[in-house]
Amino acid sequence: GENVEQHPSTLSVQEGDSAVIKCTYSDSASNYFPWYKQELGKRPQLIIDIRSNVGEKKDQRIAVTLNKTAKHFSLHITETQPEDSAVYFCAALNTGTASKLTFGTGTRLQVTL
Amino acid sequence: DTAVSQTPKYLVTQMGNDKSIKCEQNLGHDTMYWYKQDSKKFLKIMFSYNNKELIINETVPNRFSPKSPDKAHLNLHINSLELGDSAVYFCASSHGAGYTFGSGTRLTVV
Repeated sequence: GENVEQHPSTLSVQEGDSAVIKCTYSDSASNYFPWYKQELGKRPQLIIDIRSNVGEKKDQRIAVTLNKTAKHFSLHITETQPEDSAVYFCAALNTGTASKLTFGTGTRLQVTL
Repeated sequence: DTAVSQTPKYLVTQMGNDKSIKCEQNLGHDTMYWYKQDSKKFLKIMFSYNNKELIINETVPNRFSPKSPDKAHLNLHINSLELGDSAVYFCASSHGAGYTFGSGTRLTVV
């Protein structure tokens, strides 16, 4: 089955700096890679996603990159703000099968003033 | 209108008890899931149902029994609760790649 690794497990940045979270996946059949943000006591919420036919996608201050050959994908947050503080999860899915969304182990991002 | 709703939000119970968590989605999705999030925040799939049929059953103790009376509902019954069952349980539904999560049920076994 799919295995998703995520690094780092914790990340502390100063407000205004950039944050990068990296993930690797094992199943080359995975073709959909979403990122979720989970605030304390809340549900995971989708913030951005990328499909395997795209190398990069951007939405305001967040961007994702995908390297299919290396099976790497990354989340980039620029100009971080205190409200970006949360746990971020990457995930991988093969949309062509009745498979499950497999999550990475999460990154706790702390944006300090 | 809440898209995926779970009840109860909090559940505190003693070891050995049997409890159920209910989930309902009004999105018309065909597939529903139960995920467990432990104290380290790891999110792990437990079960998946597609149109009331069980399609994924991860290595979960058979004290956990999901039931899907129709494609809009997926309930989770847990027998003989153990301390290690304490976690947040998230229900989710999907259509294709679009997943929507419920707000979670925090289960505490004492």
